[in-house]
Amino acid sequence: DQQVKQNSPSLSVQEGRISILNCDYTNSMFDYFLWYKKYPAEGPTFLISISSIKDKNEDGRFTVFLNKSAKHLSLHIVPSQPGDSAVYFCAARAQGGSEKLVFGKGTKLTVNP
Amino acid sequence: DAGVTQSPTHLIKTRGQQVTLRCSPKSGHDTVSWYQQALGQGPQFIFQYYEEEERQRGNFPDRFSGHQFPNYSSELNVNALLLGDSALYLCASSLLFRTGKPYNEQFFGPGTRLTVL
Repeated sequence: DQQVKQNSPSLSVQEGRISILNCDYTNSMFDYFLWYKKYPAEGPTFLISISSIKDKNEDGRFTVFLNKSAKHLSLHIVPSQPGDSAVYFCAARAQGGSEKLVFGKGTKLTVNP
Repeated sequence: DAGVTQSPTHLIKTRGQQVTLRCSPKSGHDTVSWYQQALGQGPQFIFQYYEEEERQRGNFPDRFSGHQFPNYSSELNVNALLLGDSALYLCASSLLFRTGKPYNEQFFGPGTRLTVL
């Protein structure tokens, strides 16, 4: 039973355009959501997060939107750059002080010059 | 400031053997979590260690065990290896109790690629 789903295995966009990565979840007990970026041969690196009490968090070119009623979140990258090409993982944490992260399968983003 | 380091980078074992993977947390961190990432999947939580005790455990059999040392470094042990244990094993470190932050960011190492033949 996958509690965090990333239904698009891959996404290809042109440099300078917007990249939108989507994530759905099923567990309403999640209280914190995160996006991690992973390059080959490296561990995932934290990108941006959002608390379940917010609906938007912005950090430079990266914005995460949370729609709790739809149990959906999305990551927007504007403008996209070739260096953004990586696998992006959506992750969630259950409330109650748990440090366990539940990850989606990831979306491979390719930004073409 | 060294980040999270893991050793070895790659490892090849045979079914039924035992393996030990090692992790050194980021400087100043006191908590280590281990994740298994199978091919085409996202990382799956195995367990977390804090103050040398297993604090939380995911849905993994007892063949997976761990240890945390007084210097906060950690080991992951897997006994009676199965073909399905082939995966990238990721270690993540964090500071468990940090006042003022709703979430204590986990920093990941590069992982150990385990292949079971």
